[in-house]
Amino acid sequence: NAGVMQNPRHLVRRRGQEARLRCSPMKGHSHVYWYRQLPEEGLKFMVYLQKENIIDESGMPKERFSAEFPKEGPSILRIQQVVRGDSAAYFCASSGGSGRADTQYFGPGTRLTVL
Amino acid sequence: AQSVAQPEDQVNVAEGNPLTVKCTYSVSGNPYLFWYVQYPNRGLQFLLKYITGDNLVKGSYGFEAEFNKSQTSFHLKKPSALVSDSALYFCAVRATKSAGNNRKLIWGLGTSLAVNP
Repeated sequence: NAGVMQNPRHLVRRRGQEARLRCSPMKGHSHVYWYRQLPEEGLKFMVYLQKENIIDESGMPKERFSAEFPKEGPSILRIQQVVRGDSAAYFCASSGGSGRADTQYFGPGTRLTVL
Repeated sequence: AQSVAQPEDQVNVAEGNPLTVKCTYSVSGNPYLFWYVQYPNRGLQFLLKYITGDNLVKGSYGFEAEFNKSQTSFHLKKPSALVSDSALYFCAVRATKSAGNNRKLIWGLGTSLAVNP
């Protein structure tokens, strides 16, 4: 049973370019969460999605960032016109939807470097 | 406001000694509590969680955690530390009473554990 998959593992972009991060949840999971981790800091919640729905995007910057989880295919976190401050590790987690007690399982992360 | 505190940035223990990584929380209602471990340049791995029942929860790799409601704590413990346990440990909490997104986890800032040979 494959775990949460994220690609690419490393992504380098120049300022102003777009970054697309992909996340495939564990088999049978329909809930996806995106987090950002900056050096020497903890995890910051960004967005929580279910298939075709954004449930909570309270942690996501209002501009340049967007997320989707289509009916088919992986979840995508999109960052437009990247800036150096976007450099971070971005983690995706998925859960099976058994309510408040369900466990989130994490992918290996995508490390974004903005030059 | 809901919050999680990991009061120690770093914990150092000798191999073979018991280890404790501390976590305290503040939430409305009864909490669901989680511990995760992160190895360098890796994602987070789930260790254990407390939902209800026995206050002592056993998890992966020989770790356990004790829920203490009166002290609002959920400290992670292991009787005998290994060098390979050296990693970053995160505590997280989810409130059982919350409006809106009922799956949101509140995270501590992490504790770096160093086990010395």
